[in-house]
Amino acid sequence: TQLLEQSPQFLSIQEGENLTVYCNSSSVFSSLQWYRQEPGEGPVLLVTVVTGGEVKKLKRLTFQFGDARKDSSLHITAAQPGDTGLYLCAGARGANSKLTFGKGITLSVRP
Amino acid sequence: DVKVTQSSRYLVKRTGEKVFLECVQDMDHENMFWYRQDPGLGLRLIYFSYDVKMKEKGDIPEGYSVSREKKERFSLILESASTNQTSMYLCASSLPQGLYGYTFGSGTRLTVV
Repeated sequence: TQLLEQSPQFLSIQEGENLTVYCNSSSVFSSLQWYRQEPGEGPVLLVTVVTGGEVKKLKRLTFQFGDARKDSSLHITAAQPGDTGLYLCAGARGANSKLTFGKGITLSVRP
Repeated sequence: DVKVTQSSRYLVKRTGEKVFLECVQDMDHENMFWYRQDPGLGLRLIYFSYDVKMKEKGDIPEGYSVSREKKERFSLILESASTNQTSMYLCASSLPQGLYGYTFGSGTRLTVV
């Protein structure tokens, strides 16, 4: 059973478009993280959200943690080719618990 | 620049060989992890360690073992490599508090022929 479901699985858009992707679960997480992974590299942490309803912005990226701490969304404004990559969400269920990863969303931004 | 270093980017090994994948971190992190990443299956946890000489099985430990003799080094061992262990292997480290996230290495692409 996949605890974290990410959608859509694949997304191909034109440069300049906006997009929103999702990370959903039936379980409650104490914190949730988003990573971006480029081909041939390891994932790199983008953000951690810990409070239900929390919104964090990282330049053109906006992350939201659901009120019930079961889901999260990532919105990208005016996507650029440099945003291309695999976006992974990961949830923690305790102070030192290991992360549970979703399968990821492959984003391709065409010039 | 803090980082996690994996000893090889690419490896090709023969079936039945014993394979060692090395991972070193310079951040004094207590926690270290080994994952494999396969298309359609995502990241799957093989083993992890919360302290020196401590190890815990992850979700798919069969066919693997680990060693953590020093805090900064976490080794993954394939006792007898098989073709179904062809994969991208990722090492990560973290502080005990999960809020700060994992720092990943660049990965080792292992091919078993």
